[in-house]
Amino acid sequence: NAGVTQTPKFRVLKTGQSMTLLCAQDMNHEYMYWYRQDPGMGLRLIHYSVGEGTTAKGEVPDGYNVSRLKKQNFLLGLESAAPSQTSVYFCASSYTTSGRERWNREQFFGPGTRLTVL
Amino acid sequence: DQQVKQNSPSLSVQEGRISILNCDYTNSMFDYFLWYKKYPAEGPTFLISISSIKDKNEDGRFTVFLNKSAKHLSLHIVPSQPGDSAVYFCAARARETSGSRLTFGEGTQLTVNP
Repeated sequence: NAGVTQTPKFRVLKTGQSMTLLCAQDMNHEYMYWYRQDPGMGLRLIHYSVGEGTTAKGEVPDGYNVSRLKKQNFLLGLESAAPSQTSVYFCASSYTTSGRERWNREQFFGPGTRLTVL
Repeated sequence: DQQVKQNSPSLSVQEGRISILNCDYTNSMFDYFLWYKKYPAEGPTFLISISSIKDKNEDGRFTVFLNKSAKHLSLHIVPSQPGDSAVYFCAARARETSGSRLTFGEGTQLTVNP
């Protein structure tokens, strides 16, 4: 049981280049999330998904796109990278249950991807 | 606006003493609160949580206190150990939020000195 994995661990891009970050989870979780962490700003939600084939915008979605074609995978794309997107990116997942417990579930995080845009 | 705020970027304590990390929030719709711990080059890991129907939750050396009237929560670590040195994030969830989204604070770097 690997939990949440992220690929790649590190990447350096030039301004204007594109790339895709891959997140995979093997916990059969329904919900998946992409965050970015910047110094002094905590974790900010970029996009999230409540199920296969569905995505929604978070707090800072501009410049990013996502796709959830399979339940276990959540892809984050940068079409034209900018230096402001230099950050550490974390993927997370959580699951829902019926009844009273559905709101009391923590998110499980991957190890992160450190992205530098020159 | 910053709905969850951790006003202390860093905290340093001696091994064996108590560590108290603080968190304030502004959104009265938050009804579930979590603390995460993060080591360098790793993802955050869940530490402890508390529902708004409680004012205290304890798990071993970790206790979280919630003061709803003051919109304040705190994490107490007793006794502190060098392995507790990490960044601690406070997070909050509003009931009925789509996707069970969390709002995080800025984090507090805790250093426990031997």
